[in-house]
Amino acid sequence: GAVVSQHPSWVICKSGTSVKIECRSLDFQATTMFWYRQFPKQSLMLMATSNEGSKATYEQGVEKDKFLINHASLTLSTLTVTSAHPEDSSFYICSARDRPSSYNSPLHFGNGTRLTVT
Amino acid sequence: DAKTTQPNSMESNEEEPVHLPCNHSTISGTDYIHWYRQLPSQGPEYVIHGLTSNVNNRMASLAIAEDRKSSTLILHRATLRDAAVYYCILIFGNEKLTFGTGTRLTIIP
Repeated sequence: GAVVSQHPSWVICKSGTSVKIECRSLDFQATTMFWYRQFPKQSLMLMATSNEGSKATYEQGVEKDKFLINHASLTLSTLTVTSAHPEDSSFYICSARDRPSSYNSPLHFGNGTRLTVT
Repeated sequence: DAKTTQPNSMESNEEEPVHLPCNHSTISGTDYIHWYRQLPSQGPEYVIHGLTSNVNNRMASLAIAEDRKSSTLILHRATLRDAAVYYCILIFGNEKLTFGTGTRLTIIP
């Protein structure tokens, strides 16, 4: 089946530094990818929709200059957390559809990246 | 977005069937009912989806009420690996998925 790979699976960084998270669709092309954030014991919150070859669409309240999204190819989207602070510590998850033209095709999710900012 | 209501938590004994309910009284005629589950420290995993008719796959069954205002995810024989948070989500077309709080399923050995 369709696989979405996320890297790294966990990362620890110092406050003020930037961290890049990669999301790859391994056996399909994804024109659209979605980035979620999840705090402990909470549900997933959609941060942004990543569109190949164009600007990402951010959800209300998500700072686009802090969470930079680049979707440069049909199989890769990256999320960069810039000038990270401890409150950015969270579980970041990406997802994509393997058949975007198919009505209501399911989403496939990566295994997430646990970011800890010290 | 049409909303769904799920119990916060449920428990079930291992090797017994589990029925996870979901209410969606404001569902529109074109909304599909999707179920995903999230195991601890992992990304969500697609389980099943349907529109009007009941659906079966290797993971589960989805029973949809005739008026479509509720649905039930059925795990026919629960194992310890089925312990997860289960999310019932309504979606139209290829729009983004919005997650609610889901049902935390605990399996008792």
